[in-house]
Amino acid sequence: DQQVKQNSPSLSVQEGRISILNCDYTNSMFDYFLWYKKYPAEGPTFLISISSIKDKNEDGRFTVFLNKSAKHLSLHIVPSQPGDSAVYFCAASAGSGNTPLVFGKGTRLSVIA
Amino acid sequence: EPEVTQTPSHQVTQMGQEVILRCVPISNHLYFYWYRQILGQKVEFLVSFYNNEISEKSEIFDDQFSVERPDGSNFTLKIRSTKLEDSAMYFCASSRVASYGYTFGSGTRLTVV
Repeated sequence: DQQVKQNSPSLSVQEGRISILNCDYTNSMFDYFLWYKKYPAEGPTFLISISSIKDKNEDGRFTVFLNKSAKHLSLHIVPSQPGDSAVYFCAASAGSGNTPLVFGKGTRLSVIA
Repeated sequence: EPEVTQTPSHQVTQMGQEVILRCVPISNHLYFYWYRQILGQKVEFLVSFYNNEISEKSEIFDDQFSVERPDGSNFTLKIRSTKLEDSAMYFCASSRVASYGYTFGSGTRLTVV
């Protein structure tokens, strides 16, 4: 039962171009969404989040878009840099009480110089 | 920047043996979590802990698993009798507020042979 789905296991992008990572969810109770980045041999690190009351949140080169009606969110990285090469996890929470984050399987991004 | 510290970084154990994975969460955090990632698969929730008790656990977290906060700083995950399928990266995380702003440790790679 995959409540958070990242259907692309990998993505390759040229340096300087835009990277778009996609995530779909099935649980309509989710109201808070996060992206985590993970390098090998390290734990996931928080990148950016968005609450369901917004449809866009921007932080530097990173922008997250939320389409609640489609239950879809995406992470845009522009311009992509080689240091962005990592596994990106989408996560979601119902937000009320101590509701643990539910993660997708991740998308491995490779930014080619 | 405050960190979540996990030890050991790698643990090899024989099937049927007990293992204890250790975590030191960030000192002013109140919520603690264990997640695991089997190679090539998604990051899966195991258990959350708040106010010295388990607040939520997944179906993975069966009677073979237990958690403890023995001394106010450490947060441990015990697997009583390890199975081959317990081999995974185990991540500890903590947060000041439920569900938001998790900080993950670097993980413990558990290999059951």
